Amino acid sequence: RKEVEQDPGPFNVPEGATVAFNCTYSNSASQSFFWYRQDCRKEPKLLMSVYSSGNEDGRFTAQLNRASQYISLLIRDSKLSDSATYLCVVRGGADGLTFGKGTHLIIQP
Amino acid sequence: GAVVSQHPSRVICKSGTSVKIECRSLDFQATTMFWYRQFPKQSLMLMATSNEGSKATYEQGVEKDKFLINHASLTLSTLTVTSAHPEDSSFYICSAREVYEQYFGPGTRLTVT
Repeated sequence: RKEVEQDPGPFNVPEGATVAFNCTYSNSASQSFFWYRQDCRKEPKLLMSVYSSGNEDGRFTAQLNRASQYISLLIRDSKLSDSATYLCVVRGGADGLTFGKGTHLIIQP
Repeated sequence: GAVVSQHPSRVICKSGTSVKIECRSLDFQATTMFWYRQFPKQSLMLMATSNEGSKATYEQGVEKDKFLINHASLTLSTLTVTSAHPEDSSFYICSAREVYEQYFGPGTRLTVT
């Protein structure tokens, strides 16, 4: 079983719509969770950390369900500039990050 | 946020040659740096964890004699791909940890012909 699993998509979504991604992780000892955004041929950039209580940053809402070991990201009022690959990322202890393969999002005008 | 630079951004080399990639934390000291590799349409895969002043810890399946990592200072780590082959062509990304956050360099695209 892969450590971090995501639906690769692509998700084709009209501008202004709401879109949600899920991700599951296999290591129950994982301590930190993140969503990163990666544009084509660029490095990943931190979008937001994910907390157990859920957190929101503008149009983006992230939630963590430790019991079911899944993480979600919701994007409201999607913009053309939201088109990118969204990476679910998990860290356990002092090790480097473990990345999912990413979910490819395409916002269509 | 903190800035991590990588050099070169792109390199094309012939099979059998060695390539060195530099990773620098520009405005903070990073006791730990990480090297990742990403093949097309694949996720980033951790290659090794590098701690300043000590030997790097390599992930399973990564040849330490082929991918030489040096972390001589708190702001610089280097990855040398020795005797590169076409299958080593990939996007190499370093990251540096500042306390709890990890910041990524812009990546180096290596093409071995």
